[in-house]
Amino acid sequence: AQSVAQPEDQVNVAEGNPLTVKCTYSVSGNPYLFWYVQYPNRGLQFLLKYITGDNLVKGSYGFEAEFNKSQTSFHLKKPSALVSDSALYFCAVRDVGGTASKLTFGTGTRLQVTL
Amino acid sequence: GAVVSQHPSRVICKSGTSVKIECRSLDFQATTMFWYRQFPKQSLMLMATSNEGSKATYEQGVEKDKFLINHASLTLSTLTVTSAHPEDSSFYICSAMRVTSGGARYNEQFFGPGTRLTVL
Repeated sequence: AQSVAQPEDQVNVAEGNPLTVKCTYSVSGNPYLFWYVQYPNRGLQFLLKYITGDNLVKGSYGFEAEFNKSQTSFHLKKPSALVSDSALYFCAVRDVGGTASKLTFGTGTRLQVTL
Repeated sequence: GAVVSQHPSRVICKSGTSVKIECRSLDFQATTMFWYRQFPKQSLMLMATSNEGSKATYEQGVEKDKFLINHASLTLSTLTVTSAHPEDSSFYICSAMRVTSGGARYNEQFFGPGTRLTVL
């Protein structure tokens, strides 16, 4: 069974500082990894994904993530945080070797960016 | 980009009534849609996979007779919460899968904005 762990419930960072939101995964086949952001009372917005290729993936709003196979991690990063980045972030994994391309989500990490 | 809508965005109903939530893919066809439930400050839990023209596949622990799913067309799936109770109050999110020519690995899920259900 596939699983995702987001070890931090909340990450606090000052505006202008770099941010990292951690994610580790477990999957039997090849991992297809995703990051989504959720604003209050809204659905999920896609940020970026890793399917294959370069380990460093660049996504929306200046976010990027690095796929590390040996550490089974896919941490989300941004060089300079903005107050508007404050939201709930979900890491997800999809094992295409399984059925129905189901996504399994982590528990989410709340990012709080302050002035 | 691909757009998925949900209707209604919020609904309040009395205990014992049924509520229908619609999920539409507006600019692409989706043979597969997914229904999730999200409790406050928690992750998304997959409830069921909705397949156009066939029965939905429910996750373990989800009552199929309580959460009726109908995927009657390539752009519409509905979730009906039957005989709703206060414990069914939650945020329900659907997603629609867009199939790409590159193979299953490149299929993408697009999420709706969610429906807040409150059962009194």
